[in-house]
Amino acid sequence: TQLLEQSPQFLSIQEGENLTVYCNSSSVFSSLQWYRQEPGEGPVLLVTVVTGGEVKKLKRLTFQFGDARKDSSLHITAAQPGDTGLYLCAVRRGSGGGADGLTFGKGTHLIIQP
Amino acid sequence: DSGVTQTPKHLITATGQRVTLRCSPRSGDLSVYWYQQSLDQGLQFLIQYYNGEERAKGNILERFSAQQFPDLHSELNLSSLELGDSALYFCASSAQATSGFTDTQYFGPGTRLTVL
Repeated sequence: TQLLEQSPQFLSIQEGENLTVYCNSSSVFSSLQWYRQEPGEGPVLLVTVVTGGEVKKLKRLTFQFGDARKDSSLHITAAQPGDTGLYLCAVRRGSGGGADGLTFGKGTHLIIQP
Repeated sequence: DSGVTQTPKHLITATGQRVTLRCSPRSGDLSVYWYQQSLDQGLQFLIQYYNGEERAKGNILERFSAQQFPDLHSELNLSSLELGDSALYFCASSAQATSGFTDTQYFGPGTRLTVL
């Protein structure tokens, strides 16, 4: 069983459309991160959300942390071909000062067609 | 460019062989993390080193080992390779030992390992 379930697994839409992808869990987290990975590259951090209900905006990307801190969503407005990539959510493995590798969801493969 | 370098970029080898992947962290970063990314398992944490000491272990097989040297570069050694070890291997670095909310992990471009 995956700790973080991401949906949809694949999404292909036309340029200019809006979309939302989800990251869900039955566990509560102190923080959650979103990364974007492009082909041939490593993941790049987009945002960290910490507070339940928190909303963060990064240009056309809006990230929300669920009130119960168990889930998160990423909404993209007016998608552009440059938004194409693998979107991953991740949480810290350990609590307190312990283990700190990240646990990732399997990601949403997003393709924006011109 | 994240500032994290990994060599080689591609590696093709045969089953049963041993390979070494190398990672140089960003200047000033003391923590190095290794991850494996495969189609079926996704991106999985393997192991973390901080300033030369092992700090955390994830889903790392006994056939795999890592170390961090005094100059802070790290190597991941994979031995008795199997077909299923074919994957992308990423190194990431961060400034601290514990990834607090503001301590970002910066990922390198990865090494693509193909085991034939």
